[in-house]
Amino acid sequence: QVQLVQSGAEVKKPGASVKVSCKASGYTFTTHSIHWVRQAPGQRLEWIGWINTGNGNTEYSQKFQGRVTLTRDTSATTAYMELNSLTSEDTAMYYCARRGDLDSWGQGALVTVSS
Amino acid sequence: DIVMTQSPLSLPVTPGEPASISCRSSQSLLQSNGYNFLNWYLQKPGQSPQLLMYFGSTRASGVPDRFSGSGSGTDFTLKISRVEAEDVGIYYCMQARQTPWTFGQGTKVEIK
Repeated sequence: QVQLVQSGAEVKKPGASVKVSCKASGYTFTTHSIHWVRQAPGQRLEWIGWINTGNGNTEYSQKFQGRVTLTRDTSATTAYMELNSLTSEDTAMYYCARRGDLDSWGQGALVTVSS
Repeated sequence: DIVMTQSPLSLPVTPGEPASISCRSSQSLLQSNGYNFLNWYLQKPGQSPQLLMYFGSTRASGVPDRFSGSGSGTDFTLKISRVEAEDVGIYYCMQARQTPWTFGQGTKVEIK
C-alpha cells in the first residue's frame, strides 16, 4: 500500500534552516508528484509547492519563493523540503502528499521555531 | 490568490441525520476540459488529512457512498446522507485550479 513516512519533529532557532524528508513506498516514486502543505496552529492548511519526482522540476507558492527548496532522491524514493530563515511564524506541522489530488499524506513533521 | 470560504465553520450533527457543508471560491474552478478543480478532505482528530472527493464530485477510493459532492464554478457542496460517529473531524475544501492551491478555513463536524 502507498505510504509516505516523514522525518521526526524539529526544534529550531529563529534564522535557522530545517530539512524535512518524506520517504515513499508502495508505488513507483517517479510516476507521481509530491506536494508540501503546512498547518500552523489554529490556521488553515497552506500549500507550499510541489516537485515533479520524475524530472525534478519544482513550483513554489510565491509566499515561500526564495526561502524554500524542494528536492528528491529517486534512488532513495525520498522527497525533501528545506525551509530557510525560519521565524516563529513557521512553527507548524509540515505534510507531504502524493500527486495532484493529494491522495495520500505523510504523518506530518512538527517544526517548532523558538529562541 | 483564489480565496476559499466554507460555511458553517462548526456543525453539530446527530448520528443518522444528514449534513451539508458549503464551499465558495473567489474565482471559477471550472477548467476548459469541463472539470472543476475542487477537492474535499477530512482531517480526523490526531490524523493527517485524507482525500474524500476530487473534481468536485468524484469519490476517492474507499470513501463510503454516503458522501457526495456537487457544484460547479464557484459554489460547491459536500453532503453526508447519514452521519456516522466516524465522520467527525474537520472538513476542508481545496482548489487546484491555479497555484498557489488554497484551502478553506475548515468546517468542524462533531456529534451532538
